[in-house]
Amino acid sequence: DVKVTQSSRYLVKRTGEKVFLECVQDMDHENMFWYRQDPGLGLRLIYFSYDVKMKEKGDIPEGYSVSREKKERFSLILESASTNQTSMYLCASSRTWDSHTDTQYFGPGTRLTVL
Amino acid sequence: SQQGEEDPQALSIQEGENATMNCSYKTSINNLQWYRQNSGRGLVHLILIRSNEREKHSGRLRVTLDTSKKSSSLLITASRAADTASYFCATAGYTDKLIFGTGTRLQVFP
Repeated sequence: DVKVTQSSRYLVKRTGEKVFLECVQDMDHENMFWYRQDPGLGLRLIYFSYDVKMKEKGDIPEGYSVSREKKERFSLILESASTNQTSMYLCASSRTWDSHTDTQYFGPGTRLTVL
Repeated sequence: SQQGEEDPQALSIQEGENATMNCSYKTSINNLQWYRQNSGRGLVHLILIRSNEREKHSGRLRVTLDTSKKSSSLLITASRAADTASYFCATAGYTDKLIFGTGTRLQVFP
């Protein structure tokens, strides 16, 4: 079974702090994704990566950056956290670059609260 | 940009009853996928149906796709309390992204 893990289930940070969310997958997947989930808005794609050191902006990249130095690890960075970034963050991976034919495998999520 | 929209937003039924959720979308798709999310957890893939398929089954799940109406439905038969979750459709177009709807919250009472 594919396993996607996220570094924290719950995280509380203060406004202005730099925040790192880590995601690791163990199935040698090429694609990795970061979403945020808010009530009434569903899942929105922040960034995705289809290869090491490659990244593409999703629908809401503002205020975020990402890093993919190794194939199995995809990090989401909030350079200066703000209260409107309080949300559930979900990481996912999928097998190949041709991802519209592939299912995505999700981690358990990180609920981030910014005070 | 929102592609899939689920209907209803919330659904409450008794154990043993069938649950039907619908998804409508706007543009052409390559495939459509359904996911389940238990409260406060990540999403779990349930089933994928391709644009050239009309119906697909997996255990107690039955998914239909009508590309002429740009809609899909998920039927869960003989529901159980453990089926209580949110269900999302996700459409895969001819780009490299899945687009998720806002979900249907299903409550199954014992």
